[in-house]
Amino acid sequence: DAKTTQPTSMDCAEGRAANLPCNHSTISGNEYVYWYRQIHSQGPQYIIHGLKNNETNEMASLIITEDRKSSTLILPHATLRDTAVYYCIVRASNFGNEKLTFGTGTRLTIIP
Amino acid sequence: GAVVSQHPSRVICKSGTSVKIECRSLDFQATTMFWYRQFPKKSLMLMATSNEGSKATYEQGVEKDKFLINHASLTLSTLTVTSAHPEDSSFYICSARDRVNEAFFGQGTRLTVV
Repeated sequence: DAKTTQPTSMDCAEGRAANLPCNHSTISGNEYVYWYRQIHSQGPQYIIHGLKNNETNEMASLIITEDRKSSTLILPHATLRDTAVYYCIVRASNFGNEKLTFGTGTRLTIIP
Repeated sequence: GAVVSQHPSRVICKSGTSVKIECRSLDFQATTMFWYRQFPKKSLMLMATSNEGSKATYEQGVEKDKFLINHASLTLSTLTVTSAHPEDSSFYICSARDRVNEAFFGQGTRLTVV
């Protein structure tokens, strides 16, 4: 798996957009960018994924740069329940039995 | 999304005893499940890959005789921590892949060995 780099921690005011960056400069052509989050003492939760186009779902938006070397996860209106560790992972499209490798993630704290 | 259920969510056991953790995919069949452990304020570390009907594949440094994995059906994998010691205290998380190979995670099991 390509390695990813994320800031260790970030704060965001409640109600504002939270923008979480991720660098994946060694990503290869068939690798997707996935985002998961882990709320304290729970298992990780899938958020969103993309290959090269921007993606949006009910939870978040994913913006991938044209060269695919970085991406940004956007939580449009952060709430206190969005406080969690956010993991950016790249993985190949031909999953098979491929394992997910977690980095250290970004600890996002939403401030009232 | 698909649901993966882990049981128990918390367990306390005495040193030297064995503990079994179950991971079930509730609404899909999972030929592959993954077991992770997570220490406080650390990231998830993959322990092993569990394949239905065959032996699990363990990551380097993980003792297969200590962490027994059984994946007897397409909806159930179990992790047994044998002869548990206090250093085995951790948060154990399973993950299962559905038919389109998306990964879903259980809620985790907090094991405390006293």
